[in-house]
Amino acid sequence: EADIYQTPRYLVIGTGKKITLECSQTMGHDKMYWYQQDPGMELHLIHYSYGVNSTEKGDLSSESTVSRIRTEHFPLTLESARPSHTSQYLCASSEYEEGEAFFGQGTRLTVV
Amino acid sequence: EDKVVQSPLSLVVHEGDTVTLNCSYEVTNFRSLLWYKQEKKAPTFLFMLTSSGIEKKSGRLSSILDKKELFSILNITATQTGDSAVYLCAVEVSYFDSGNTPLVFGKGTRLSVIA
Repeated sequence: EADIYQTPRYLVIGTGKKITLECSQTMGHDKMYWYQQDPGMELHLIHYSYGVNSTEKGDLSSESTVSRIRTEHFPLTLESARPSHTSQYLCASSEYEEGEAFFGQGTRLTVV
Repeated sequence: EDKVVQSPLSLVVHEGDTVTLNCSYEVTNFRSLLWYKQEKKAPTFLFMLTSSGIEKKSGRLSSILDKKELFSILNITATQTGDSAVYLCAVEVSYFDSGNTPLVFGKGTRLSVIA
């Protein structure tokens, strides 16, 4: 059973606030990913990590940052939220780069 | 709790075969159903279905939604090795009180097409 959790599920926040979206997995996967996605649109990779202390930017430019201090934890931080950041953020993990990715339930972020 | 169940979890076929992937769902307020193909890091969008009984087609791929029976199928005809991927089904759920429409993903079907 895949266990990957994201919190919060929904967040409404004012412009300029700093926020951190949490993602944790209990499968011991080395590879973790953050995607940004709007309904009916492609999932865009914004960050990924191949292991502890390894982080890379993805295909879509993002003003967010990530950290990977522990295998199971891959938080995403926005230093100053803007309305353009309003979107759904999906976290995923996989055992191998081309293996099946397990997705969290997502965080729906609204910046007002 | 909203849930999306895909079957089979894994499938191996030969080139030229036709495959059908299944997705059933139980959600509170259905808004749409989406299919994605995931090969490497970023899944690619295939179809978005909102109306029952209307088939969407793109080349050898087609999909249809049955809102009465709460399921969708994805068909791939004349499969090729390039179709090998994980196919994800997701349901967009509408929460009227908050206005949020999160996606609920299934676990995916891993399709392997061998020459």
